[in-house]
Amino acid sequence: KNEVEQSPQNLTAQEGEFITINCSYSVGISALHWLQQHPGGGIVSLFMLSSGKKKHGRLIATINIQEKHSSLHITASHPRDSAVYICAVSQYNTDKLIFGTGTRLQVFP
Amino acid sequence: GAVVSQHPSRVICKSGTSVKIECRSLDFQATTMFWYRQFPKQSLMLMATSNEGSKATYEQGVEKDKFLINHASLTLSTLTVTSAHPEDSSFYICSARDPRGTYEQYFGPGTRLTVT
Repeated sequence: KNEVEQSPQNLTAQEGEFITINCSYSVGISALHWLQQHPGGGIVSLFMLSSGKKKHGRLIATINIQEKHSSLHITASHPRDSAVYICAVSQYNTDKLIFGTGTRLQVFP
Repeated sequence: GAVVSQHPSRVICKSGTSVKIECRSLDFQATTMFWYRQFPKQSLMLMATSNEGSKATYEQGVEKDKFLINHASLTLSTLTVTSAHPEDSSFYICSARDPRGTYEQYFGPGTRLTVT
């Protein structure tokens, strides 16, 4: 079993839909990261959080430390949101990241 | 936010040659940088942790003589793939930890290496 599990693996949506991507982990962490990778490969860090909730534009990330679970929400999705979204955790007291396998999102107009 | 650059973005080389990839932190000094490798449709895998002024720490299964890492300054780490083979073809990504924050890492845009 992977230490970081994401669901779903693939997700398609119509423009305007509300999207949720889930991440569960089984190790002790200092922080959880949500990353976005567009075709082409470059990675952008969307959020780093260790508790509660963060919001940036149409993106919202939440984390429940007790349940070892995080969600990434996209409101009013747009075709430009199409990308792979990756959950990664910083193991407690290290800088190393453990990555989930990613969720491939396609938003159609 | 902080910026990390990589150069080159794409490189094609012949089997047996060596290729150097640079990773630079543009607006902060990074004592620690990380090198990752990503195969198609797979997630990133940590290859090594690069510490300024000391030897890199390699993950299990990564050949240190094959993937030479040098972190000679606080803003530059290099990965050299020596005697490259077609199976080394991959997407290589670096990240740098911003010491001003806690555990915040900034990723480079990646380098796609193709060995023919």
